[in-house]
Amino acid sequence: DAKTTQPNSMESNEEEPVHLPCNHSTISGTDYIHWYRQLPSQGPEYVIHGLTSNVNNRMASLAIAEDRKSSTLILHRATLRDAAVYYCILSNNNAGNMLTFGGGTRLMVKP
Amino acid sequence: DGGITQSPKYLFRKEGQNVTLSCEQNLNHDAMYWYRQDPGQGLRLIYYSQIVNDFQKGDIAEGYSVSREKKESFPLTVTSAQKNPTAFYLCASSIKSSTEAFFGQGTRLTVV
Repeated sequence: DAKTTQPNSMESNEEEPVHLPCNHSTISGTDYIHWYRQLPSQGPEYVIHGLTSNVNNRMASLAIAEDRKSSTLILHRATLRDAAVYYCILSNNNAGNMLTFGGGTRLMVKP
Repeated sequence: DGGITQSPKYLFRKEGQNVTLSCEQNLNHDAMYWYRQDPGQGLRLIYYSQIVNDFQKGDIAEGYSVSREKKESFPLTVTSAQKNPTAFYLCASSIKSSTEAFFGQGTRLTVV
C-alpha cells in the first residue's frame, strides 16, 4: 500500500493561513490524494481530494507537486473550529477506494 | 436526512461476551467499511463490503465478523476472540466508484 508521511502536530494562529504538508513518495499513477479531518470523538469528515491538478473547494485548497510525491492542504483562514487531526490518504480505484489512515497531523489553532 | 447512523454511541460489555454494533445508511451506497481507532492513533480497517452479500477482511479482521444481507446495513460483531476489544469503532460508506467516504459518529465500546 502506498504510504503517506505527515508531521505529528502543527500550530496556527486564528485567521491566518495554514499549510499542512504530506509526503507520498511511493504514489502510483492511479492513486488519488485525499484529505479528511477528525474532530475529537467524531467520525472523520471529507475535506478535499485530487489526482494531478490543484483543487479548490469551500473548505480548503489542495496543492499537488508536479511529481505528485507531495501535497499540501491549505486552509486559507484558520478558525478555532478547524482544530482537528488532518489525515492525508492515498486511494486507488483499482483497489476499491480503500482508505488507509496514518497518524495524521494534529492542528492546534490559537486565538 | 440522508446519512450514516451508528448505534449506540456508547456500549459497555463484560469480557467474554459477543457484542454487535449497528451501522445503517440511507445514501444508497454500495460500499461499506468498518474501522477501529485506538486512543491517539489513526483508523485501521477491520472489514469492508463492496456489494450486498459480499465482504472482505481488512488489516485487523481477527476476532470480528460482519454480514451484508441488505445494502443499507453492515453490522459488526465483536467476538470473545478479540483480545483487546475496547476501542472507538467507525463505520463508513461510499459510492463504489467514488473517492469520498461518509463516516458515522462512531461507537465507543468498553469491555470490562
